Amino acid sequence: SAVISQKPSRDICQRGTSLTIQCQVDSQVTMMFWYRQQPGQSLTLIATANQGSEATYESGFVIDKFPISRPNLTFSTLTVSNLSPEDSSIYLCSVEEQGTDTQYFGPGTRLTVL
Amino acid sequence: GENVEQHPSTLSVQEGDSAVIKCTYSDSASNYFPWYKQELGKGPQLIIDIRSNVGEKKDQRIAVTLNKTAKHFSLHITETQPEDSAVYFCAASRDYKLSFGAGTTVTVRA
Repeated sequence: SAVISQKPSRDICQRGTSLTIQCQVDSQVTMMFWYRQQPGQSLTLIATANQGSEATYESGFVIDKFPISRPNLTFSTLTVSNLSPEDSSIYLCSVEEQGTDTQYFGPGTRLTVL
Repeated sequence: GENVEQHPSTLSVQEGDSAVIKCTYSDSASNYFPWYKQELGKGPQLIIDIRSNVGEKKDQRIAVTLNKTAKHFSLHITETQPEDSAVYFCAASRDYKLSFGAGTTVTVRA
């Protein structure tokens, strides 16, 4: 399975600022995904990030709040903009094993907004 | 969209006993059903999965069953050990999009 790393692992941010989260995978993958996991909750898909095209956002998530970049087949970033305490969550990236539906997750980024 | 329900929300078992977690899904077009284990402070780890053309799959102490007609699938852990304590999530996938259940916190008592 792919080895996925995320940076930072955790951060504490002030209201109104932004945080950019990086996701790096050790092999080339077509499909990368970003999820949010609110405290004590399940995972919710934010968007699908495909290289060479605009990210596809799920209902309730917009590009202005969660801009995503996917410059190549091994890397993606998620920015959480104009932070509020409600954005305090774990943010996870995942990758799909080529052509299988199988998704592997990174370790997550724990964001606390004060 | 897909709706996945997961029960129970918490499960406490004696070490050595079995644990069963059940999930139902709403979209009959879903065709891939993974299970993830999440330990505190870590990302979800894929532990087993099953596709819609298979009714049962086993990997050592872990097994998953799928009933497409009833749209439900279950995770079975036998001979539970303290390291099985974690949160377990089921998910259903259609066209690569995963929809997750709410999670089950499993505690294995020594």
